[in-house]
Amino acid sequence: AQKVTQAQTEISVVEKEDVTLDCVYETRDTTYYLFWYKQPPSGELVFLIRRNSFDEQNEISGRYSWNFQKSTSSFNFTITASQVVDSAVYFCALRLQGAQKLVFGQGTRLTINP
Amino acid sequence: SAVISQKPSRDICQRGTSLTIQCQVDSQVTMMFWYRQQPGQSLTLIATANQGSEATYESGFVIDKFPISRPNLTFSTLTVSNMSPEDSSIYLCSVESGANVLTFGAGSRLTVL
Repeated sequence: AQKVTQAQTEISVVEKEDVTLDCVYETRDTTYYLFWYKQPPSGELVFLIRRNSFDEQNEISGRYSWNFQKSTSSFNFTITASQVVDSAVYFCALRLQGAQKLVFGQGTRLTINP
Repeated sequence: SAVISQKPSRDICQRGTSLTIQCQVDSQVTMMFWYRQQPGQSLTLIATANQGSEATYESGFVIDKFPISRPNLTFSTLTVSNMSPEDSSIYLCSVESGANVLTFGAGSRLTVL
């Protein structure tokens, strides 16, 4: 069975600090996709990134970066120079090739304090 | 990516009643997915709805409790039947929007008293 673990339930930092959200996944399949979604207080889920299992290149998008390491089954998300607007719950998720279901982690509530 | 509209955005309901949530997509899609997010929890897939066939339910979810309709390629409804306080959740509709990426609606926040 597939599983996604986000061990950090809540993180609170001061604005402009860097923060890393951890994500560890479990699957026996070799082809899969990993995702990060942001859920701001308004409730909608905002797609941030998709990574397939064959692409271990790290990705940077503005202040956001993602570190995918198959050797440790981790897909961590770093926000550089955090801002108050980054405050949200962040979900890591896993989807197997050909499967319908997106398996979510428990989420990390990130609070950026001014 | 697809734009999804859900109605109602929120509702407060009495125990024992039923509520139907609507999901409208701005493009034709083969599959639509219904997820539940209980308070402070993660998201769990309830069922997958294909047009022209019965929905496929995940373990722990049954058609009598969560009947789903999919009359065409842009619309689906999820009914939460005979509600109890334990059904208080956010219900989210989603569709595949781009290769293996799911786009979600804003959700329907349901409170059962």
